[in-house]
Parts: sequence; structure tokens; C-alpha cells
Amino acid sequence: DQQVKQNSPSLSVQEGRISILNCDYTNSMFDYFLWYKKYPAEGPTFLISISSIKDKNEDGRFTVFLNKSAKHLSLHIVPSQPGDSAVYFCAARARGDGGSQGNLIFGKGTKLSVKP
Amino acid sequence: NAGVTQTPKFQVLKTGQSMTLQCAQDMNHNSMYWYRQDPGMGLRLIYYSASEGTTDKGEVPNGYNVSRLNKREFSLRLESAAPSQTSVYFCASSEQQVSYEQYFGPGTRLTVT
Repeated sequence: DQQVKQNSPSLSVQEGRISILNCDYTNSMFDYFLWYKKYPAEGPTFLISISSIKDKNEDGRFTVFLNKSAKHLSLHIVPSQPGDSAVYFCAARARGDGGSQGNLIFGKGTKLSVKP
Repeated sequence: NAGVTQTPKFQVLKTGQSMTLQCAQDMNHNSMYWYRQDPGMGLRLIYYSASEGTTDKGEVPNGYNVSRLNKREFSLRLESAAPSQTSVYFCASSEQQVSYEQYFGPGTRLTVT
């Protein structure tokens, strides 16, 4: 059963507008959440993260919001640029799960297209 | 600093052939990981090594073996390749197993015919 879900396989946004990528999770033992960005033929690169004790983290044009009661997080990109076009993966870190503690569990990804 | 490097970048195998994917990191990280990425499936953990000298199964270990050769290197072996193992393989590393982020290599695209 999927513990980290990204229900939108794709998202198309106009340049300059806001992009909102969503992620839901089921495991209340997750203590840290990350967003990775992946361009074609490259490995994923870390973008931004948030601890479960916070509800918002901001880094330039990127902001991640965490709603623990809803088990939901979102990544906001403002303003969106054509160079942001990539696949975005949400990931969660498990806590207190024996030997696999600390391993990341990834969602299936959302492909963002930012049109000029 | 090269970060995480993987060889080869591309490989085509016939069913039943074997091969080893190589991964090395120069960040002095303790933990290393192997993932596979399939269309619509995200990244799934095959094996990981929390520290030098230890390896453990991840979510999809069947058909694979790993070796943590030293602190820098972590290899993934396919003993008898199957078409279901056609995928893009990523190696990653992190400072510790319970760490803030993992750093990924560029990937190996493997096709099994």
C-alpha cells in the first residue's frame, strides 16, 4: 500500500504563475519530508524539506507547507519559470522503524510543465 | 567533488546475462542506497547499506545482490537478468542513515531483452 501519494501525474502552469504540487501520506511515524526535482536523464536533486514539527519552510521561490492533521504537504513555486519544468518527487523519512529507520519513501512523482 | 558517480550510463543485456552496476561517492558518507525507477512507479529502494560492512534489503530486493566494497563504493549485481529488471537504476548516499537528505548519482539505464 502506498504510504506517500502524489495523485496528480502532471501539472501545466503558465510562466509567472504559481505552481502547487501536492503530496499525501498515511504513516504518522514520518518525521521529515523532502521534495526532489528530476530532469530527464539526470538523477534527482534535493530541493527543499520540512520537519514534522514545522508547518512551513521557505527557500526563495519555493515554499513547502505541512498539514499534519490532514497528512498533507504541498510545494508552492512562485513565480514559476520554464526552467522549473521537471518531475517533482515527494519523499518522507520513517522514524523508529527498526533497521529501516531513516530510509526515504518516495511518491510516484508529478511532472510539471511551465509554459512560456 | 564529483559527488555520486555511476557506471555504466547505459547497458543492454540479454535475458540470463549477469552484470554489476558500480557506484562510488566522494563525500565521506556512511550510508548508500540503490533505487530503481520505473514509469509511473517513482523510486523504489532495492538495497541499502547503513554503514560500511552492513547491507539490508529494501522494498524490491528480489533478483539483486549488493556489495559494500568499502566506505566509498557500493555495487549492485544482477545474477541472471530478466526483462522485468529493465529500469533506470540510481545510487544515492547520505551522511548517516537518519540524515536530512540523500544525494543521487546520474543513473544507469538498463534494458534487458
